[in-house]
Amino acid sequence: QVTLKESGPVLVKPTETLTLTCTVSGFSLSNARMGVSWIRQPPGKALEWLAHIFSNDEKSYSTSLKSRLTISKDTSKSQVVLTMTNMDPVDTATYYCARTPQGATTPRWYFDYWGQGTLVTVSS
Amino acid sequence: QSALTQPRSVSGSPGQSVTISCTGTSSDVGGYNYVSWYQQHPGKAPKLMIYDVSKRPSGVPDRFSGSKSGNTASLTISGLQAEDEADYYCCSYAGSYTFLYVFGTGTKVTVL
Repeated sequence: QVTLKESGPVLVKPTETLTLTCTVSGFSLSNARMGVSWIRQPPGKALEWLAHIFSNDEKSYSTSLKSRLTISKDTSKSQVVLTMTNMDPVDTATYYCARTPQGATTPRWYFDYWGQGTLVTVSS
Repeated sequence: QSALTQPRSVSGSPGQSVTISCTGTSSDVGGYNYVSWYQQHPGKAPKLMIYDVSKRPSGVPDRFSGSKSGNTASLTISGLQAEDEADYYCCSYAGSYTFLYVFGTGTKVTVL
């Protein structure tokens, strides 16, 4: 059974750095051509893709947030970590991690499993 | 990269069909057959409904179907049911490591 679960602080102050952890089970982060993305959703607003890490450790970031984001993984712990620096109240959102499944010869470009999400509020 | 454009809301009576459009550009929707659709009920995580434009994951009812023409993808729900009332988001692979995915603006489906 594939599951993903996000964890991290509920409240952060402006200018602080946010660190979120996605703990996965039911699959390995080393499976070829598989990946995990972080996606966020401000209250009442649309989904926004943030970052992705592939099984081979290649990373990709949203252009608009690239300077603030770092994604990494610890395969032995089955965890994907996202850090976002210089947090601002506009970053208040539910943050999701989601899996892109393993492709036969190339990556698959959709999210088949999502975590439950974690609401992060940025306020002083 | 701008979000894909979806209608803010669509509605229909039980048993009717509704179609949600998702308009992008030749750099995303029009450039690849990698459009996916997600259903999101209030307070819940998104759920994959359609991938690769028109493929349905196991367990998704066949009244959900997807298609694409040019830079616009569409999700059709046939035989609308009460449980289909939710927000729906399209998503496209954008082909660049500086912008891998782009989501749509979201559509609220109301069952009258």
